[in-house]
Amino acid sequence: DSGVTQTPKHLITATGQRVTLRCSPRSGDLSVYWYQQSLDQGLQFLIQYYNGEERAKGNILERFSAQQFPDLHSELNLSSLELGDSALYFCASSVQAVYTEAFFGQGTRLTVV
Amino acid sequence: SQQGEEDPQALSIQEGENATMNCSYKTSINNLQWYRQNSGRGLVHLILIRSNEREKHSGRLRVTLDTSKKSSSLLITASRAADTASYFCATFTSGANSKLTFGKGITLSVRP
Repeated sequence: DSGVTQTPKHLITATGQRVTLRCSPRSGDLSVYWYQQSLDQGLQFLIQYYNGEERAKGNILERFSAQQFPDLHSELNLSSLELGDSALYFCASSVQAVYTEAFFGQGTRLTVV
Repeated sequence: SQQGEEDPQALSIQEGENATMNCSYKTSINNLQWYRQNSGRGLVHLILIRSNEREKHSGRLRVTLDTSKKSSSLLITASRAADTASYFCATFTSGANSKLTFGKGITLSVRP
């Protein structure tokens, strides 16, 4: 158990809908990362927060947004969902903003139908 | 975009043999890390090697880093069926906009 909690574990929703994925980092970790894993694209970095502030941005679509709250949990919002958004979404956390190992949650499997 | 590229994409070996996986990357890095992922589950950190280190060991794992060739290798010695998983290299690039980016992974199958 990495100590990173993601909810829900599975999510099935229809095209055009909006969903929110939640992540609680390990106790003491200030940094949260979001990744999308699909078969054809591999593990894509979406965005990183550190202590409530956005720190780095990757290939995150405009339909997606995220935030980190004062209690350090993070949410990833996906809207206007398309079939191609079906993937595993991982959250990871680390103590520092950079240059340390990341601890991953078990992921949220999103299926858009 | 992927910073790291692993090679081979898939590897099948017999239990007890050694498994060698390679990773190449494109830009200057602060460190390189290897992770393992069991089917559909979260990634687990295995080992981190800094850009000023050449070799690192952890149990049955040995990692090397050649910054002049922008490449790394992960050796798993005396493999076990439980080592069957996907292995990813990840790099933390240097500089102000550094990110932890992953390759597409290597699927390792260890036959009992």
